[in-house]
Amino acid sequence: EDQVTQSPEALRLQEGESSSLNCSYTVSGLRGLFWYRQDPGKGPEFLFTLYSAGEEKEKERLKATLTKKESFLHITAPKPEDSATYLCAVQKRDNDMRFGAGTRLTVKP
Amino acid sequence: SQTIHQWPATLVQPVGSPLSLECTVEGTSNPNLYWYRQAAGRGLQLLFYSVGIGQISSEVPQNLSASRPQDRQFILSSKKLLLSDSGFYLCAWRGDSKDSPLHFGNGTRLTVT
Repeated sequence: EDQVTQSPEALRLQEGESSSLNCSYTVSGLRGLFWYRQDPGKGPEFLFTLYSAGEEKEKERLKATLTKKESFLHITAPKPEDSATYLCAVQKRDNDMRFGAGTRLTVKP
Repeated sequence: SQTIHQWPATLVQPVGSPLSLECTVEGTSNPNLYWYRQAAGRGLQLLFYSVGIGQISSEVPQNLSASRPQDRQFILSSKKLLLSDSGFYLCAWRGDSKDSPLHFGNGTRLTVT
């Protein structure tokens, strides 16, 4: 069965303390892996798309990487404004995007 | 640029009452449109999607229905709400490229009492 699992469920960091979020998937025929940021009470905001193993994307303090089984979202020297829930999603076929439950990140000043 | 509007932001409805949530997209034509539901601690669940006017695909059989009366308008409805319909409903659009990302509205928090 196709699954998308994110870990940890919640992560608390001190400002400046780098870490990584994990998204593991068991999907055959992956067409793309997407990362989103979601603030409380808001819709998810698109961050990155990764298409093939070995691919990397960067945006400010965030860097996303992809292997054949998982993706990592690396956060370097996070700031309190990086606090949010980070969602990953995998696309298997047209209009079939499966989301993980998310990692809730809190960055303390 | 493209924008997506979703309303209302919050809604409290009694069990058995009807529901209508509306979503409109600006700045693009013939978008693919989606309704998702998000439950606390769980991933987004796809409810319906539409690739064109009057074309609706249902992913989960349930108490809800969707309609697309205009190119950039997507409506989620129910004739009689259940307690289990409570949740955070999100509308999203995607462009023509089948691997392009979803772009979400800000959601509707529905509480059925």
